[in-house]
Amino acid sequence: GAVVSQHPSWVICKSGTSVKIECRSLDFQATTMFWYRQFPKQSLMLMATSNEGSKATYEQGVEKDKFLINHASLTLSTLTVTSAHPEDSSFYICSAPRDSGELFFGEGSRLTVL
Amino acid sequence: DAKTTQPNSMESNEEEPVHLPCNHSTISGTDYIHWYRQLPSQGPEYVIHGLTSNVNNRMASLAIAEDRKSSTLILHRATLRDAAVYYCILIPYNQGGKLIFGQGTELSVKP
Repeated sequence: GAVVSQHPSWVICKSGTSVKIECRSLDFQATTMFWYRQFPKQSLMLMATSNEGSKATYEQGVEKDKFLINHASLTLSTLTVTSAHPEDSSFYICSAPRDSGELFFGEGSRLTVL
Repeated sequence: DAKTTQPNSMESNEEEPVHLPCNHSTISGTDYIHWYRQLPSQGPEYVIHGLTSNVNNRMASLAIAEDRKSSTLILHRATLRDAAVYYCILIPYNQGGKLIFGQGTELSVKP
């Protein structure tokens, strides 16, 4: 079964609204989680590193005020796409490493902004 | 981060072996070679990894060149469920899970 779970799997929203995507580690604690975005027929692009109890670290070119990341507990990180627009439509994927070094990815969340 | 080069796409027949190449000529001594695959509309999943020696697991084998500048992922008997994008990624030993994905190889499997 899934070790890292994302919710929702897919979401459709109107332009201008905000959407929250959750990433949970199901049977281990993750002080760090990673968020990726993937456009159709393209590779995964790292957006940010989510750090439990502190601010996220964003990759160059990713707007931190647009993509709010909160890692309030050792098993949950959330990505909020604020004031979403059609160009934000994408497949968002999170990952979390275990202490053992194994890395697990969530199932992905497909966002469609109308 | 050291770069990897993979063919954009490959085709295979079901039940036949598949060899997926990856070039990484700028690999450093502490870089591990990892392979992940991504099935359609899913998150990536771990396949295999190695440092210097060839590795085998239930999913695949990894053959690493002696100079470590290239590697090959081997699927011994391709199935339709192996159709996916395969990513070869170099990860320094202390990277902690931060992966930088290249374009990968899209493998199609014909029945």
